[in-house]
Amino acid sequence: SQQGEEDPQALSIQEGENATMNCSYKTSINNLQWYRQNSGRGLVHLILIRSNEREKHSGRLRVTLDTSKKSSSLLITASRAADTASYFCATVPLGGAQKLVFGQGTRLTINP
Amino acid sequence: NAGVTQTPKFQVLKTGQSMTLQCAQDMNHEYMSWYRQDPGMGLRLIHYSVGAGITDQGEVPNGYNVSRSTTEDFPLRLLSAAPSQTSVYFCASSYYPPPGTTEAFFGQGTRLTVV
Repeated sequence: SQQGEEDPQALSIQEGENATMNCSYKTSINNLQWYRQNSGRGLVHLILIRSNEREKHSGRLRVTLDTSKKSSSLLITASRAADTASYFCATVPLGGAQKLVFGQGTRLTINP
Repeated sequence: NAGVTQTPKFQVLKTGQSMTLQCAQDMNHEYMSWYRQDPGMGLRLIHYSVGAGITDQGEVPNGYNVSRSTTEDFPLRLLSAAPSQTSVYFCASSYYPPPGTTEAFFGQGTRLTVV
């Protein structure tokens, strides 16, 4: 079963606006990661946040993690057409499982 | 470095045929895994390996076999292809196995159609 669920499933915004995507998960985690997938391509790692961290930044990306609510958000500021892609959260569940479990993804479209 | 290389990029099989999807990485990563991606389902883990000679099942292992004889290679075998195995397959690797805090590197995928 899927560990993470992204919300919304699809998001369409104008270039220059900010985009926020959310991820909820079911079990306690070791860390949470966000990946981007351009159409027809493999996934590319964006950012990793550990379970003891609350916020992390990388360039125009800001990730938050709320372990009490089992949720994370990815904010992309000042969006560009090149940000058009699908975004996935992935979790590493606690308990010794050596697995990276992905959600279903958010399809982001940036309109020029 | 080439990263993670998957071959072939596209494949059409007839029901009942067998084939091997190849995956190779040149980053000396210990952990390798196979996912399938279906519309609306995200990525689902098929099999994974934490090192040469060690493999384990993921969420959807039925109909697939793997082996890991070297650190670099992690082939995925379809034993008797079925239309339900029509999907895009991704191989991924990372230096440490989860829960090690390292990123996963993905191949470009193999688009498989079973008719």
